Amino acid sequence: AQSVTQPDIHITVSEGASLELRCNYSYGATPYLFWYVQSPGQGLQLLLKYFSGDTLVQGIKGFEAEFKRSQSSFNLRKPSVHWSDAAEYFCAVGAGLGRLYFGRGTQLTVWP
Amino acid sequence: IAGITQAPTSQILAAGRRMTLRCTQDMRHNAMYWYRQDLGLGLRLIHYSNTAGTTGKGEVPDGYSVSRANTDDFPLTLASAVPSQTSVYFCASSATGQPTEAFFGQGTRLTVV
Repeated sequence: AQSVTQPDIHITVSEGASLELRCNYSYGATPYLFWYVQSPGQGLQLLLKYFSGDTLVQGIKGFEAEFKRSQSSFNLRKPSVHWSDAAEYFCAVGAGLGRLYFGRGTQLTVWP
Repeated sequence: IAGITQAPTSQILAAGRRMTLRCTQDMRHNAMYWYRQDLGLGLRLIHYSNTAGTTGKGEVPDGYSVSRANTDDFPLTLASAVPSQTSVYFCASSATGQPTEAFFGQGTRLTVV
């Protein structure tokens, strides 16, 4: 069965610091992996996706993620966080067409 | 602006009442989805439709029904609302063909009292 684990419920970083959000997945076939961001009261916006090829993928807003098959991981990174990055981040695995299994989310707080 | 429109934005509903959440997309996507978002649980798939005229059950379908009469619309109906259906509901759509990404609406916040 498909599942996604985001081990960190809440992360706090200082503005300008680096960021890594963890994501582990369980999926029987080749995974299609996504990171979405949700600002308060808003819908979900796609940050980046991995379908195949280069395991380091670049997204919007300076984010990147690395797919590691051996670790079943797809961690999200950003070298320098901005206050506007404060939001909730969701990792998801594709289960056919656009059907997604989501992790429980990681809430990011950014201190000035 | 192309995208997904959900209505209403928010609603307070008495338990036992019937409610339909509306979703319309103008991207001509064949596939559409309904998710619910609950604190600490992320988003869970309620129902989906791969193409007009077909629907399928997701992870948490009980108490909900959907229909897909045409490509653009995918309403979600709660026949008799219960407090456990208090949630934020998101509609999404995607093109057919593997792989593909889903695009989300702004959500409907539903409170059942």
